Amino acid sequence: AQTVTQSQPEMSVQEAETVTLSCTYDTSESDYYLFWYKQPPSRQMILVIRQEAYKQQNATENRFSVNFQKAAKSFSLKISDSQLGDAAMYFCALDTDKLIFGTGTRLQVFP
Amino acid sequence: EPEVTQTPSHQVTQMGQEVILRCVPISNHLYFYWYRQILGQKVEFLVSFYNNEISEKSEIFDDQFSVERPDGSNFTLKIRSTKLEDSAMYFCASKGSYNSPLHFGNGTRLTVT
Repeated sequence: AQTVTQSQPEMSVQEAETVTLSCTYDTSESDYYLFWYKQPPSRQMILVIRQEAYKQQNATENRFSVNFQKAAKSFSLKISDSQLGDAAMYFCALDTDKLIFGTGTRLQVFP
Repeated sequence: EPEVTQTPSHQVTQMGQEVILRCVPISNHLYFYWYRQILGQKVEFLVSFYNNEISEKSEIFDDQFSVERPDGSNFTLKIRSTKLEDSAMYFCASKGSYNSPLHFGNGTRLTVT
C-alpha cells in the first residue's frame, strides 16, 4: 500500500526566512511522481512543485525547491525568502496510478 | 491557461436527497478523478475514470456514489442518498497523460443538513 506521512502538523516562519516542510512516503513502485500542493484558505489545490522519481536532480521552482532522497523515501519542500502569501496548508502527494495525499502541514508566516 | 471548472461552488442539501456535482475537465485531458476533503482532514481519493469507465475506486466510493461522463465534456459525481457525513469539499481533477500532473478544480463544498 502507498502511504504519505507529514509529521509536522504546523510550522511557522518569519517573512524572508527559509522553512523546510518534511514528507516521507512508502511505495513498492519504482516509477512514480511526487508533488507538493498548496491549499490557501480558499481551499483551492495549487500545484507547487513536481519531482519525477527517476530524476536524481532536485526540482526547483523559483523560491521553492525539494530535497528528494529516493533511498530514504523522503521528499521535503524548502521555501526560501518566505512571503506572507505563502501561508497555507501544504500537502505532499505521491502519484503511482492515483494521487495519495499526506495529512498536510499548516504554514504560518509572520511579518 | 485552461482550467478544470466545477459547479456549483457550494451545494446545500437535506439528508437523503440526491446531489449531482458537475465538473468540466480540461478539454484534451483523458484521465479524470474525484477527491473528497472533509473539513480539517486530508484529501482522499474517491474514484478515477479513464476511457469511459472507472479505473479504480476507493472504499469510500460505495453504491451510493456514481460517476458519469455523459457528453464528452462534463464529468459528474452523483450521490444517491446523502448522509450527514458526506459533507465535505469535493474536488474534480484531470490530467492529459498518465505521467502528467493533476489539475484540480476549485471544488464544490457540499453541506448535508
